[in-house]
Amino acid sequence: KQEVTQIPAALSVPEGENLVLNCSFTDSAIYNLQWFRQDPGKGLTSLLLIQSSQREQTSGRLNASLDKSSGRSTLYIAASQPGDSATYLCAVPNSGGSNYKLTFGKGTLLTVNP
Amino acid sequence: KAGVTQTPRYLIKTRGQQVTLSCSPISGHRSVSWYQQTPGQGLQFLFEYFSETQRNKGNFPGRFSGRQFSNSRSEMNVSTLELGDSALYLCASSRYSGGTILYWDTQYFGPGTRLTVL
Repeated sequence: KQEVTQIPAALSVPEGENLVLNCSFTDSAIYNLQWFRQDPGKGLTSLLLIQSSQREQTSGRLNASLDKSSGRSTLYIAASQPGDSATYLCAVPNSGGSNYKLTFGKGTLLTVNP
Repeated sequence: KAGVTQTPRYLIKTRGQQVTLSCSPISGHRSVSWYQQTPGQGLQFLFEYFSETQRNKGNFPGRFSGRQFSNSRSEMNVSTLELGDSALYLCASSRYSGGTILYWDTQYFGPGTRLTVL
């Protein structure tokens, strides 16, 4: 059974700081890994999706890396801003190939202080 | 292109009642998934539909059910509501890439329906 863990559970940083969020998964037979952002009481916004054949994906100030062999992914946020404050979730599809189901980590609550 | 829409956005029900939530996927998306989000359990998969067929189901009791219509819109129903059913219910849609999954497109989530059971 796939399990996804995110560390830290919460992070508070001053504006302008670069930061790294971590995600680990137990079953390395994944097709991709997706990072989401969730604002309080809202739905999820997809940030980046990394296919299993890729090592990195970049979008603006965000950079996500994937190391399948070690079961890890990181989300790097450069020059953080107060608007980046949100919960960040990583998710992987269920292993087995034919299942359409995401297993999520519990998320990292990020607070960027002005 | 319109995003995933969910109605209603907020619901308050009492124990024992039933509720129906609706989800309209992005145009052209044929796969619709439902998730329950609670502070204690986080996001948990409920079920997934494609072409009006339920392909996957999570570990939830039979009180939770769903269906998908020919236009890909989906509904989920919870009968005999319990206090523990209070949660944010999220719907997600994605394109279908055909055959056994080798490539899975991005999941796009709706804003959710906040259900409160009193």
